[in-house]
Amino acid sequence: DAKTTQPTSMDCAEGRAANLPCNHSTISGNEYVYWYRQIHSQGPQYIIHGLKNNETNEMASLIITEDRKSSTLILPHATLRDTAVYYCIVRVTSGTYKYIFGTGTRLKVLA
Amino acid sequence: ETGVTQTPRHLVMGMTNKKSLKCEQHLGHNAMYWYKQSAKKPLELMFVYNFKEQTENNSVPSRFSPECPNSSHLFLHLHTLQPEDSALYLCASSPTGLAGTGELFFGEGSRLTVL
Repeated sequence: DAKTTQPTSMDCAEGRAANLPCNHSTISGNEYVYWYRQIHSQGPQYIIHGLKNNETNEMASLIITEDRKSSTLILPHATLRDTAVYYCIVRVTSGTYKYIFGTGTRLKVLA
Repeated sequence: ETGVTQTPRHLVMGMTNKKSLKCEQHLGHNAMYWYKQSAKKPLELMFVYNFKEQTENNSVPSRFSPECPNSSHLFLHLHTLQPEDSALYLCASSPTGLAGTGELFFGEGSRLTVL
């Protein structure tokens, strides 16, 4: 079972920041949080990941709470092309890495 | 282009047919994955291979038979499928250990329709 819970859907105005929350209250100390997005049944695309510290790359920022029980993905200036399903995943290490996807958040960016 | 190639992209088969899905990566990754995505559902992990050895079988019915002859290739053999097996089948690969970011690289998927 997925170790994450996310809101089913969110809307965001074009040009505004999109803040997508994720709860992972059962996360273990060595488990990373990964974010992916999937656009219209294409293969999911990696966005960002983190363990404890906040992370930023050219696509997004990831804010992880100090207790690591939740995180927020921030798309700083959402565009129409950011409309997608966003998945927050806790990477489980049991021999090989396992990435268990939850239901994700369907983000709709509005013009 | 992610470096993970899946063929065929679309497949229609009858319930008595035998077909195979193929996945290929030349990223130097050692782990490969099969996921199933049914309509309007999240991705379901099916199988995981690490250095050609199966490390995860998520209670997948035996009508799905995976094969991993080497770290670059992964197959999913299909036989006597049911209409409810119609779905998008996604292959992914990732480095293991401390190599890279550990992210999954997905192919574009094989859309399967079972009549």
